[in-house]
This record gives sequence, structure tokens and C-alpha cells, in this order.
Amino acid sequence: DGGITQSPKYLFRKEGQNVTLSCEQNLNHDAMYWYRQDPGQGLRLIYYSQIVNDFQKGDIAEGYSVSREKKESFPLTVTSAQKNPTAFYLCASSVDRGQNGYTFGSGTRLTVV
Amino acid sequence: QKEVEQNSGPLSVPEGAIASLNCTYSDRVSQSFFWYRQYSGKSPELIMSIYSNGDKEDGRFTAQLNKASQYVSLLIRDSQPSDSATYLCAVMNPPPGNKLIFGAGTRLAVHP
Repeated sequence: DGGITQSPKYLFRKEGQNVTLSCEQNLNHDAMYWYRQDPGQGLRLIYYSQIVNDFQKGDIAEGYSVSREKKESFPLTVTSAQKNPTAFYLCASSVDRGQNGYTFGSGTRLTVV
Repeated sequence: QKEVEQNSGPLSVPEGAIASLNCTYSDRVSQSFFWYRQYSGKSPELIMSIYSNGDKEDGRFTAQLNKASQYVSLLIRDSQPSDSATYLCAVMNPPPGNKLIFGAGTRLAVHP
């Protein structure tokens, strides 16, 4: 079945530690996105990539980094510079630059301990 | 002003009633509009898209768009307890951005 796989489902980070969230899709979509969701808030865009080897900052990119070396993969690293990383992280992908909406993965819930 | 605004709710309706969810957006040149359903702890699921003024129906769901008023709505007929979820309105930024901007969502509770 085609879809987007995010792993892990739950992740715990210690203070000062970098962690990487995985996002893999087999939908052959060109564009991929990372959103963050906090309780009671909508989704906020962190980074997006519309083509391999290219990506752009979203609205809240500080403290995060990404890479897009393969069409299928768009990992997100939460660095120690991100002061409030506890949130629900959602990866999405789209064909035709999102004109028909995005498909989301199942999400990763990150907690700082 | 937020780019996409929704009433946070909760909107409580009895089973079998019509639930009406509303959304306003600020960018007048936006062309594509979406409604997502999100169950607690789960990821958003696309349920409706609409691109032109008027109504679009799909089963029990009807999306309505009024670009002059910058207003999008979602009607759910014959509401069921399984419709209880948060409904996110999303608006596509025009090119070259092509980014979906989400509202904070409206929580719908359908009670038996």
C-alpha cells in the first residue's frame, strides 16, 4: 500500500540532545512538508521541499534542520537550539505542489524529559 | 490577523442534526480550500476540497465557498457520534508559495 511512514511514533529527548524524525513516502510525490502541532493550535509549517536536493524554511524553522537527498525521504532533525520541542510532528507529501491537498503520515510525538 | 480563522468550539450537536463549521481567510487571491478531519491523537485526514464559489457535496458532507466574503464552510448532515473530531480548515497560498495554511480547528462533539 502506498503511503507515508513516520518513525518513531513516540520519541523522548533529553535537554541538549539532537534527535532525528524519519519520514518516508512511496507515493512518488515530489513535494514533502514538516508541520508541528501544539495543543489547541493549528499546524505550523517548519520546512518544505518541492524537489530533491532543495528545501525552504517555513514559518518556524529556527532550531530545526532537514535534508532531501532522495525523493522518498525527508528527515527532520530537532536540534538543541529548539527550546520548546515538545509537540506532535507531522510529515506530509503532495503531488502537483499540493493543489489537491496533502497526504499526512501518522505523526511522531516528541517529548522533552 | 490570523491567516485562517476558525471558532475553536466545542460545537456540540445532537445525533442526526446538521453540524455547521465555519472558516474565514485573509488572502484574497487564495484559490484552493480544504477540510481535514483529525481524531484525537491521530493525523489529519482530507475529507473535502473546493476550488470555486458555491457548494460541493460528497455524501453527508457539503463544502461551501464564498470568495467575495473570504469564507469557507463545512456542513455535516445526519451527524453521527463517529463524526466527533477536530475539523481543520486549510487554505493554499498562491504561487510561488504553494503552502497550506491551517486554521486552529473546530472541535465537534456529536452526542447521542
